[in-house]
Amino acid sequence: EAGVAQSPRYKIIEKRQSVAFWCNPISGHATLYWYQQILGQGPKLLIQFQNNGVVDDSQLPKDRFSAERLKGVDSTLKIQPAKLEDSAVYLCASSYRPMTSGGETQYFGPGTRLLVL
Amino acid sequence: DAKTTQPNSMESNEEEPVHLPCNHSTISGTDYIHWYRQLPSQGPEYVIHGLTSNVNNRMASLAIAEDRKSSTLILHRATLRDAAVYYCILGNLEETSGSRLTFGEGTQLTVNP
Repeated sequence: EAGVAQSPRYKIIEKRQSVAFWCNPISGHATLYWYQQILGQGPKLLIQFQNNGVVDDSQLPKDRFSAERLKGVDSTLKIQPAKLEDSAVYLCASSYRPMTSGGETQYFGPGTRLLVL
Repeated sequence: DAKTTQPNSMESNEEEPVHLPCNHSTISGTDYIHWYRQLPSQGPEYVIHGLTSNVNNRMASLAIAEDRKSSTLILHRATLRDAAVYYCILGNLEETSGSRLTFGEGTQLTVNP
C-alpha cells in the first residue's frame, strides 16, 4: 500500500514570497491533516479535512495560510506572504476511521522542509 | 485536550529493553492512549494504542496502569533504528470527524551501541 506522498521535500524562499505544498493521502482515507513542526517541537495541527470539507482550522493563520482539498483526495497548503517564522516542516497525514475499533491511526508523509530567508 | 507528561530524554543500550513512561493524570474514561515515534528527518509513525488493557504488537508493548493515569511503552530489545522521539498522546473516540492528535515535545530516545 502506498503511503502519504508530499512534494516538494525541500523549499527555500525569500520572505514575502508565496509557496505551496502538495499532499496525496492514502487511497480511501477520508480524513486529511496538515501539521506544522517547528524545530525542536512536536507537530501542531493547522487544519483538518473530512472528505473535502474543513472540520477544524482553528490554528491556521488565515491571514496568510490557506488550504484546500478538491474532490476529497489531494490537498494543497499555501502560504502567502511567507514570514521568517514560517520556517518549519509541514507534515501531511491521513486517516480512515474504522467504525469498530477505538482510536484512529494517522499515517504521516515525509514532510516538506521550508526555509524562509 | 487532556495533557501528557514525558521525560525529555532517555538513554538505552542496544539489545536491552526500554521502558518509556508517560503520565496522564487528567485522562477521561473515553480517551485512548496513543504512541507515535518520529525518526530523524521523517514524519511521525504509529507505534501502538490502547484503552484499558495492555496491548502488544510487533513493534512494542503498551502497559497501562490500573487507574489509567500513567502508561509505559516497552521496546523489548532496542536497536539503533529505535533512536527517535517518542510521543504519548491522548485521543478521544467520541470525536465525530476523526481523531485529533495533540503532540507534546515527546521523549528523545538515544540507543547506544
